[in-house]
Amino acid sequence: GESVGLHLPTLSVQEGDNSIINCAYSNSASDYFIWYKQESGKGPQFIIDIRSNMDKRQGQRVTVLLNKTVKHLSLQIAATQPGDSAVYFCAENNAGNKLTFGGGTRVLVKP
Amino acid sequence: GAGVSQSPSNKVTEKGKDVELRCDPISGHTALYWYRQSLGQGLEFLIYFQGNSAPDKSGLPSDRFSAERTGGSVSTLTIQRTQQEDSAVYLCASLPYQSTEAFFGQGTRLTVV
Repeated sequence: GESVGLHLPTLSVQEGDNSIINCAYSNSASDYFIWYKQESGKGPQFIIDIRSNMDKRQGQRVTVLLNKTVKHLSLQIAATQPGDSAVYFCAENNAGNKLTFGGGTRVLVKP
Repeated sequence: GAGVSQSPSNKVTEKGKDVELRCDPISGHTALYWYRQSLGQGLEFLIYFQGNSAPDKSGLPSDRFSAERTGGSVSTLTIQRTQQEDSAVYLCASLPYQSTEAFFGQGTRLTVV
């Protein structure tokens, strides 16, 4: 099967600081790029998406940036809180609505 | 319930036995996915159903794995002759048509002993 990431990288961040999580994607034809958050013992949960014709989108305390030139996606979390500790996954939505997940990053918020 | 429901939540089985994992998606959602997640790792795509189209089975790791979706709703993932490497959390997700927001169940933790 398609394997998406072994031994997840970890980002440690001080509470109150901003976090930046990065993801590289491969399919230039994807319509949407999405970020999901997975807390321990739970299924992933949708955070925010961005359409392929945009380069920035803001949500509540989160901003997603899309750089199509270098096929790079990032998620910025402002004023990181303990509840933000989780694994974050990027994903692509392709024609036909197929959702493909990329590698994840574990975020640990230090008090 | 309003969310995606998976059963059982935990399953311990002996090597060589067959198991069936069930997913009840959110009513009206046209897309349904199965993923596998080993401890501390990412999401491994297994299979994807979209409406009445033929499923995308490209992620199934071997012919011991199969899945069906009856009536465009409930899905069952079957693993035959289970092996220890099948031990993982199996996650199901459903989406409305042309949506990027997948709703995941809590998963089934499968342990093969």
